[in-house]
Amino acid sequence: SQTIHQWPATLVQPVGSPLSLECTVEGTSNPNLYWYRQAAGRGLQLLFYSVGIGQISSEVPQNLSASRPQDRQFILSSKKLLLSDSGFYLCAWGSGQGRVDTEAFFGQGTRLTVV
Amino acid sequence: GNSVTQMEGPVTLSEEAFLTINCTYTATGYPSLFWYVQYPGEGLQLLLKATKADDKGSNKGFEATYRKETTSFHLEKGSVQVSDSAVYFCALSMFQGAQKLVFGQGTRLTINP
Repeated sequence: SQTIHQWPATLVQPVGSPLSLECTVEGTSNPNLYWYRQAAGRGLQLLFYSVGIGQISSEVPQNLSASRPQDRQFILSSKKLLLSDSGFYLCAWGSGQGRVDTEAFFGQGTRLTVV
Repeated sequence: GNSVTQMEGPVTLSEEAFLTINCTYTATGYPSLFWYVQYPGEGLQLLLKATKADDKGSNKGFEATYRKETTSFHLEKGSVQVSDSAVYFCALSMFQGAQKLVFGQGTRLTINP
């Protein structure tokens, strides 16, 4: 069966420090991978998606970047965190078969607090 | 552009009450529609979906019907339980380079015994 792992679960970082959040998927190959952010009192915003190794699409301009060094690994990074980067970050994967009716599977999320 | 608007929360109900959470969408083309649920401290999980007009998705006593004429996908349950307390997200799915989910802002539901 497929599983998605996301870590760490909680992170407190000072302003200006770097960030690396990692997400890995097991039990599937060539998935579409996604990073979402859920800010307090707001819905989920799609930040990045990837349809293959090294292929990253950014949805919104921001202080973050993403990378996909391996088929089932997706990393969210920042060189210098801002206070506004605080939020709940969710990784997700989808089947990537060109369909729109398939389920997306989400990780447990990382709560990032920038202080 | 594509967007989803959900009924604002929080919503507080007593056990066995009837639940409706409104959801309307704006989309170009023909999206699939989803309800996801987020239990405390967890990621999102699919609750139900509908892929074309007049389809009804159902799961765990929850139902939602894809209404193209009113661009709506309201979530209903006839008798809620304390265990239904969670945040509910309505979402549409479109293909734009990849399958993309556009979420509403979420509705926090609390059920009191």
